Amino acid sequence: KQEVTQIPAALSVPEGENLVLNCSFTDSAIYNLQWFRQDPGKGLTSLLLIQSSQREQTSGRLNASLDKSSGRSTLYIAASQPGDSATYLCAVRQKDSNYQLIWGAGTKLIIKP
Amino acid sequence: DAMVIQNPRYQVTQFGKPVTLSCSQTLNHNVMYWYQQKSSQAPKLLFHYYDKDFNNEADTPDNFQSRRPNTSFCFLDIRSPGLGDAAMYLCATSRDPGSSVTQYFGPGTRLLVL
Repeated sequence: KQEVTQIPAALSVPEGENLVLNCSFTDSAIYNLQWFRQDPGKGLTSLLLIQSSQREQTSGRLNASLDKSSGRSTLYIAASQPGDSATYLCAVRQKDSNYQLIWGAGTKLIIKP
Repeated sequence: DAMVIQNPRYQVTQFGKPVTLSCSQTLNHNVMYWYQQKSSQAPKLLFHYYDKDFNNEADTPDNFQSRRPNTSFCFLDIRSPGLGDAAMYLCATSRDPGSSVTQYFGPGTRLLVL
């Protein structure tokens, strides 16, 4: 059974720092992995989707990597800003689950001005 | 510009009193999903519709039902809400169930059960 883990559960860093969020998964039989952002009391916004055949995807200050063999993904945020404060969730699209995304519980990120 | 709309944003109901949450989409997507998300937890898929084909997750309680009268709208009915059903309910859509397709989420409805 696929399990997705995000450590740490919470992270607080000063503004301007580069930072890395981690996501690990136990079963490498995935179609893709997605990173989402969730602001307090709000829905989720898709940030990046990495197909299983890809190694990384970039959007602006965000870079997501995928190492399927080791079951790891990272989300790199460059030059962090207070507006980046949110909870970041990763989710994998499992090959044997058809529709379902398997989610991590998220990392709550606080960027201190 | 709103693509996935959920109403209401906040819903207060009484223990055991039926409640309906609404989701609509302007994307003309074929698939609509309902998730339950409790505080500091990952979203949990309750069910989804692929067009009119309803798919219930195995561990979704019978207390939860859904209706999709047309492509644009989907409803979540909670027949007898319990205190444990207090959560954020997220609606999402995708163009199709394909493996490379992104899901688009609405802002959620926060349900409080008194």
